[in-house]
Amino acid sequence: SQQGEEDPQALSIQEGENATMNCSYKTSINNLQWYRQNSGRGLVHLILIRSNEREKHSGRLRVTLDTSKKSSSLLITASRAADTASYFCATAPSGNTGKLIFGQGTTLQVKP
Amino acid sequence: NAGVMQNPRHLVRRRGQEARLRCSPMKGHSHVYWYRQLPEEGLKFMVYLQKENIIDESGMPKERFSAEFPKEGPSILRIQQVVRGDSAAYFCASSPVDSVYQPQHFGDGTRLSIL
Repeated sequence: SQQGEEDPQALSIQEGENATMNCSYKTSINNLQWYRQNSGRGLVHLILIRSNEREKHSGRLRVTLDTSKKSSSLLITASRAADTASYFCATAPSGNTGKLIFGQGTTLQVKP
Repeated sequence: NAGVMQNPRHLVRRRGQEARLRCSPMKGHSHVYWYRQLPEEGLKFMVYLQKENIIDESGMPKERFSAEFPKEGPSILRIQQVVRGDSAAYFCASSPVDSVYQPQHFGDGTRLSIL
């Protein structure tokens, strides 16, 4: 069964605004990762946060992880039209090697 | 440095035919993963392979689907006697080591359409 649930399913904002996407999962994990997918393309890795980390930054991206609530959030600051894409969280379950469990994704539209 | 290469990008088959999807991992990567994506959905794990070994095939349908990653050459996902429900995008990913802290690098996928 699919592990991740993402919220919202779709998000539309103006360029320059911040975008926040949330992800919840069900089982214990080794790490949680966020990926971006442009239409018709493969997934691009954005950021990985380990289960013992609470927050991580990469450029305009900020990811938080709350293992007690089994949830994560991805914040994109000062959004650009080029950020328009689908965003997926993926968890690496504990005791497992390699396999990633993906959420349904959030479709983000950034209007110029 | 070439990324993960998948071919063909688009594949059309009639019901009952066989589909072969190929994946060449990034240079230096010895771990390959296959995922399937239905429209408007996230990716679902199918199988994890290392050279000449299947490590985890818990996401593979029991019938008609098989995967291999030979010592030489690309990884192959094979679907026999395709049905309409096999229509999807199939993605391959690779990683350099057996570590849960390594991100997976994805190809652009093969879009399989069954007539």
